[in-house]
Amino acid sequence: SAVISQKPSRDICQRGTSLTIQCQVDSQVTMMFWYRQQPGQSLTLIATANQGSEATYESGFVIDKFPISRPNLTFSTLTVSNMSPEDSSIYLCSVDERESTDTQYFGPGTRLTVL
Amino acid sequence: SQKIEQNSEALNIQEGKTATLTCNYTNYSPAYLQWYRQDPGRGPVFLLLIRENEKEKRKERLKVTFDTTLKQSLFHITASQPADSATYLCARATGGGNKLTFGTGTQLKVEL
Repeated sequence: SAVISQKPSRDICQRGTSLTIQCQVDSQVTMMFWYRQQPGQSLTLIATANQGSEATYESGFVIDKFPISRPNLTFSTLTVSNMSPEDSSIYLCSVDERESTDTQYFGPGTRLTVL
Repeated sequence: SQKIEQNSEALNIQEGKTATLTCNYTNYSPAYLQWYRQDPGRGPVFLLLIRENEKEKRKERLKVTFDTTLKQSLFHITASQPADSATYLCARATGGGNKLTFGTGTQLKVEL
């Protein structure tokens, strides 16, 4: 199974600033996913990131607000831009399991608080 | 839209009993359903996947069923232990590829 790390684990940010979250995987993976989990809510997919192509965003999420980079097969970043208190959430990255594309492994998450 | 519904009320059971969690979905049956466990402050951990053509799947003390008529999956933990206390998430395949839609999860608390 893939081992995924995220940085930072948590942060407190001021309104109007931006935060970049890093996701590192211990093996090469084709697809990486970014989710948001708002307080008391379930996971909502923000976008899918494939290496070498533009990220694909879900309805309600746009690249200007959540730019994503995927420079290689083991790393991705998600930036939360021009933050507001409504962006306070846990942000998680996940990858597909290698032998099967049907299961996903998740990172520990980044807890973001926007004041 | 394709939705996943789980009982948002917490489930409290006694140690040793069987916990049963419910996941209902709308619209067409997904190719598979997945169950994850999430502990506070951590990312979800994959537990089981059951495909549309499977009625039941087991893994140690865990059992999952898939009823396409009722549009429902049940998740059972037998001989429950306090260490089983966590939030359990159901997820369905959405669209093509590997996108998942998650339910809100059910919090399970196993008491001594």
